[in-house]
Amino acid sequence: GENVEQHPSTLSVQEGDSAVIKCTYSDSASNYFPWYKQELGKGPQLIIDIRSNVGEKKDQRIAVTLNKTAKHFSLHITETQPEDSAVYFCAASTNYGQNFVFGPGTRLSVLP
Amino acid sequence: DTGVSQNPRHKITKRGQNVTFRCDPISEHNRLYWYRQTLGQGPEFLTYFQNEAQLEKSRLLSDRFSAERPKGSFSTLEIQRTEQGDSAMYLCASSLATVNQPQHFGDGTRLSIL
Repeated sequence: GENVEQHPSTLSVQEGDSAVIKCTYSDSASNYFPWYKQELGKGPQLIIDIRSNVGEKKDQRIAVTLNKTAKHFSLHITETQPEDSAVYFCAASTNYGQNFVFGPGTRLSVLP
Repeated sequence: DTGVSQNPRHKITKRGQNVTFRCDPISEHNRLYWYRQTLGQGPEFLTYFQNEAQLEKSRLLSDRFSAERPKGSFSTLEIQRTEQGDSAMYLCASSLATVNQPQHFGDGTRLSIL
């Protein structure tokens, strides 16, 4: 089955700097890649997603890139703010989004 | 759009007791998913429904676990004869049934087994 790895497990950046989180997946049939942000005591919240027919997608300070050949995708957050501090999860989906396989998460701390 | 609602938010019970959790999905979503999340890990898929039909179950879903979605709206997840290892956050998500749709999560039910 699908296996998703995520790096780094923790990341600390200064406010205003950029943060990059990288994920790799194993199943070449995966075709949908969402990213979620989870704050303490809350459920995961979708922040951006990308489909396999697209190489890059941007939404304000957040961007995701996908390299299908290498089977990796990355989350880029620019101009980080303290409220970006949370745990971020990548996921990959085969079978048209029925079963998400999540990475282990990255704890991002934005230092003021 | 009121979001996915889960109840209760917290459940503390003794080992061996039965527990039941409820999930109310976003109203127009016909797919509903259950995940389990332990501390420091990503959510792990348990099962999903399309309308009232349970279409897939993970190997994580032992025979002590049962999920229902009787009218294709809300769903319940029951754990019988709870064990220490069942302590986790149980997350519910819902989505539309078309291709490559995002899943929207509730805030979960945290289960603690004494």
